[in-house]
Amino acid sequence: GQQLNQSPQSMFIQEGEDVSMNCTSSSIFNTWLWYKQDPGEGPVLLIALYKAGELTSNGRLTAQFGITRKDSFLNISASIPSDVGIYFCAGQLSAGGTSYGKLTFGQGTILTVHP
Amino acid sequence: EAQVTQNPRYLITVTGKKLTVTCSQNMNHEYMSWYRQDPGLGLRQIYYSMNVEVTDKGDVPEGYKVSRKEKRNFPLILESPSPNQTSLYFCASSLSSRVPYEQYFGPGTRLTVT
Repeated sequence: GQQLNQSPQSMFIQEGEDVSMNCTSSSIFNTWLWYKQDPGEGPVLLIALYKAGELTSNGRLTAQFGITRKDSFLNISASIPSDVGIYFCAGQLSAGGTSYGKLTFGQGTILTVHP
Repeated sequence: EAQVTQNPRYLITVTGKKLTVTCSQNMNHEYMSWYRQDPGLGLRQIYYSMNVEVTDKGDVPEGYKVSRKEKRNFPLILESPSPNQTSLYFCASSLSSRVPYEQYFGPGTRLTVT
């Protein structure tokens, strides 16, 4: 199946630092999504991006949909301890009938924030 | 309370013994999906359903079956589990099949097959 390459795999940062992670794909996506998973829970949607070039913010989070439609990044500014968790990118494949409901996730970035 | 529920939360079983993991949502959502999560591989989609009686394969459907006889339920069936199906499984649902990405995830089912 399709693969998304997400990097870095893990990050260890100090509270207050900014964080950046990204995803790349060999295929074009219609939509890019960013999720966060807290320990022991299911992922929760943070940001959804619908158009190439789109830049969207949600509080301290900012995400962009790459112009080529093959990449996206997520930035977290002024990190705090509760930002700890696993962050996943995900893409919805290009419109094409059977693939419409199919989502592909990246491998995840494990974020640790030291107080 | 709006939620996606999964049962059981934890299951240890033996190779070849058929099992079903149930998933139910109380939000009248059209779209439902199953994922498995493995270290270093992220979430991989097993099957999804755009509506009642409409199901389709995700990226890793081998060894799994699903059914969608009612809108609220989407059980995952392992007819003959094998150790490589040991994983953390998540069910998710979304209001509209047109926006499958705005998904609510269940709490997860940790399955161990020995």
